[in-house]
Amino acid sequence: AQSVSQHNHHVILSEAASLELGCNYSYGGTVNLFWYVQYPGQHLQLLLKYFSGDPLVKGIKGFEAEFIKSKFSFNLRKPSVQWSDTAEYFCAVNAAFLRNTGKLIFGQGTTLQVKP
Amino acid sequence: SQTIHQWPATLVQPVGSPLSLECTVEGTSNPNLYWYRQAAGRGLQLLFYSVGIGQISSEVPQNLSASRPQDRQFILSSKKLLLSDSGFYLCAWSPGLAGGPNTGELFFGEGSRLTVL
Repeated sequence: AQSVSQHNHHVILSEAASLELGCNYSYGGTVNLFWYVQYPGQHLQLLLKYFSGDPLVKGIKGFEAEFIKSKFSFNLRKPSVQWSDTAEYFCAVNAAFLRNTGKLIFGQGTTLQVKP
Repeated sequence: SQTIHQWPATLVQPVGSPLSLECTVEGTSNPNLYWYRQAAGRGLQLLFYSVGIGQISSEVPQNLSASRPQDRQFILSSKKLLLSDSGFYLCAWSPGLAGGPNTGELFFGEGSRLTVL
């Protein structure tokens, strides 16, 4: 069965530190990849997405992610985090064969806490 | 523009009582609709999805059911709640087939927090 694994469940950083959150998926075919973010008290929203083309994608608020097909990975990065980045981050995959249904498979989520 | 609303936002129910969570989407037609559950430390689990009125697919065996009585209305129900049903329930939508190729991008509601005591 398809699955998504996020390696870090809880990350604590100081402001200005660099961030990398790992995400791996288990599906050998064509995929669409997503990172969603849930800020405290807010609804889940899209941070960035990869469909095709340049494997390095840029999202909102200075986030970026790199798709490495050979590693089945889609890691999220930010060079310098801010206190306002404190949130829960979810990696998600939509496999091509699921595309008509729009179903996403989510990872377990990573809670990021940024200390001022 | 499209919007999605779900209610109630918070619900505390005793074990054995019924449940009804409602979700509506505005500004689009024939959307795909989803119910996810977010449990602490377990991420987001897809419970049900629907590609049209009356069409419901269940992803995991459970104590819950879903219905889609109208094109943009999606309801999550239970006849008798269990303690294990506690969690944060999220409704989401994505463009249906008529809206073009489905990229898998979902748009989420505000969520409903259910506590079963």
